[in-house]
Amino acid sequence: EPEVTQTPSHQVTQMGQEVILRCVPISNHLYFYWYRQILGQKVEFLVSFYNNEISEKSEIFDDQFSVERPDGSNFTLKIRSTKLEDSAMYFCASSGTGGDTQYFGPGTRLTVL
Amino acid sequence: KQEVTQIPAALSVPEGENLVLNCSFTDSAIYNLQWFRQDPGKGLTSLLLIQSSQREQTSGRLNASLDKSSGRSTLYIAASQPGDSATYLCAVGGGGSNYKLTFGKGTLLTVNP
Repeated sequence: EPEVTQTPSHQVTQMGQEVILRCVPISNHLYFYWYRQILGQKVEFLVSFYNNEISEKSEIFDDQFSVERPDGSNFTLKIRSTKLEDSAMYFCASSGTGGDTQYFGPGTRLTVL
Repeated sequence: KQEVTQIPAALSVPEGENLVLNCSFTDSAIYNLQWFRQDPGKGLTSLLLIQSSQREQTSGRLNASLDKSSGRSTLYIAASQPGDSATYLCAVGGGGSNYKLTFGKGTLLTVNP
């Protein structure tokens, strides 16, 4: 069964460093999302992406964040200068159409020291 | 701003019991509602998707209902098993060009053998 994959599973970085989190959505899906979950808190929406552009972003998704679909298969989230408060589990999701089931990847645990 | 609340926060039941998890949301202008399961330290597994025009969806021992006008959804689990132990998340999807999911904090379910 097709699934969303994410790499790495765990990333440790120093404050101020840039990180890139990678996702491979399900191959025929058109809508892509990033969410995050700070330990013990709700899953929060970060950004949605369709037709090679951002369709919606939350207030969390400031200028330090960017997303890209560099080729036909990968979807990346870049944090330019990480802060301690960026430590969280980051989930990528994809859906075939806008209102369809969103399938989530296993997540990347980001730890900022 | 959409707010999603899940009650109870935690539930412990003996194996074989039928149970109901509750979800409420403040803005009834939703596109869909999705129930997920999350195991500790893992990603989100989609269980059921209910479109806003639907009243319920069933998958095996799971049945989810939606009352959009009152802002409520329930997830019914029949004949619970220890393997059902997990956190169950409710998420509502926005409309228009925005399909982002807004999550509740979840119900931690423990099924005791």
